[in-house]
Amino acid sequence: NAGVTQTPKFRVLKTGQSMTLLCAQDMNHEYMYWYRQDPGMGLRLIHYSVGEGTTAKGEVPDGYNVSRLKKQNFLLGLESAAPSQTSVYFCASSSSGTRIYEQYFGPGTRLTVT
Amino acid sequence: KQEVTQIPAALSVPEGENLVLNCSFTDSAIYNLQWFRQDPGKGLTSLLLIQSSQREQTSGRLNASLDKSSGRSTLYIAASQPGDSATYLCAVDGSSNTGKLIFGQGTTLQVKP
Repeated sequence: NAGVTQTPKFRVLKTGQSMTLLCAQDMNHEYMYWYRQDPGMGLRLIHYSVGEGTTAKGEVPDGYNVSRLKKQNFLLGLESAAPSQTSVYFCASSSSGTRIYEQYFGPGTRLTVT
Repeated sequence: KQEVTQIPAALSVPEGENLVLNCSFTDSAIYNLQWFRQDPGKGLTSLLLIQSSQREQTSGRLNASLDKSSGRSTLYIAASQPGDSATYLCAVDGSSNTGKLIFGQGTTLQVKP
C-alpha cells in the first residue's frame, strides 16, 4: 500500500506558466482534498471532491482548477501561475463509510513561482 | 467562521518530561478533531482522531482529550523523547458530510537529549 502519493515533489515555474499536480491514492477512498501550506497561514483547503466526477471549492480556490475523472486520482491545475501561488501543496484522502473522515496525507509538492 | 488556535507556537523541553499541547476552536459544533504530526519537509501523519461524542483517545504515549463545550483539546505526550521533535497540528471537522478540516498553525516541539 503506497497510501497517498503526489507528483512531482518539486517544481519551479515562471509567472504565467501552467502545470498540473497529480495526487493518487490506493485506499479506495471516496473523498480527496487539496491544501496549501504557507508560513504563518497554516494549511488551507483549496478544493475537494466527495466522489468520482465531483469537485467543490474550499477556502482558497481562486487561481486553481481540479478534476476527479478517476476515483483514485485528484488533479490540481494552475492555469497561469503567480508568485502568490508559491507554496507547499498537500493532497489528502479519507473514507466516507463511517462518517469519521480520518484524513491521510501525501508527502507534498513544493512549488516555487518566479 | 471556525477558527483554530494552537498555543504555544513553539516549545522546548528536556527529554523525559511530560508535556501538554493546546488547541482551541471557536465553534463547538464539530464532528471530530484530529491531531497530526509533521516532520520538517514531510507530509502530515495522523496521530489521533477524537469523535465529537468522545472525551479522549489514547495511542501509546499520546493522549488527546476533547471538551466541546469549552472549545478545547489537549495532546498529552508522556515521557518525551528526542524523536518526538516535530510540529504538531490540530484540525477540526465542522462540516456535515464532507470532512473538510480547519487547521491550527501548529506547535513546534523540540525535545532536547
